[in-house]
Amino acid sequence: EVQLQQSGAELVRPGTSVKLSCKVSGDTITAYYMHFVKQRPGQGLEWIGRIDPEDDSTKYAEKFKNKATLTADTSSNTAYLKLSSLTSEDTATYFCTWGFAYWGQGTLVTVSS
Amino acid sequence: DTVLTQSPALAVSPGERVSISCRASEGVNSYMHWYQQKPGQQPKLLIYKASNLASGVPARFSGSGSGTDFTLTIDPVEADDTATYFCQQSWNDPYTFGAGTKLELK
Repeated sequence: EVQLQQSGAELVRPGTSVKLSCKVSGDTITAYYMHFVKQRPGQGLEWIGRIDPEDDSTKYAEKFKNKATLTADTSSNTAYLKLSSLTSEDTATYFCTWGFAYWGQGTLVTVSS
Repeated sequence: DTVLTQSPALAVSPGERVSISCRASEGVNSYMHWYQQKPGQQPKLLIYKASNLASGVPARFSGSGSGTDFTLTIDPVEADDTATYFCQQSWNDPYTFGAGTKLELK
């Protein structure tokens, strides 16, 4: 059974960065693209971007190009999302989704001083 | 960006049939997908590429449409279907989601 396990909730200061992880179990991470999706409290879903773990190629939504960085480590079957220069607008739950068929449980990031 | 428009909320009785619509601001071929999300949970894929039932999803759920107009149908609706339903397109960059339709049961 495929499962995606995301790292725990983060409370971070404005202006700093945070790196979230998403570990795939039950299959090899290179089988599908890994996408990350943002959901602000009580709001809809926003696609941040995706990484192909096979060759580390990435594609980002324009609004996240200077905010998010996606990486992957095939040796640990894990993908990462780094968010930089954090503001209150980045307070949200971040989901990883593998091919959009499998989803992690989400990581809540709270940006507050 | 491709804007996906969904009606905000629907209320139906158990056993009825409900159709949830999603209209795209530009064509997305058949690359429209549907998700169910319950409070505090991650989205769950129901339908992919307009009309294909995802693995493990009950046959009560079905999808139709192409181009710019798409529909998710639940027939019959059950109490457990109370949730928000999102459409998503993966034809145009960036991928976009609809704002969601909240389905409530009477």
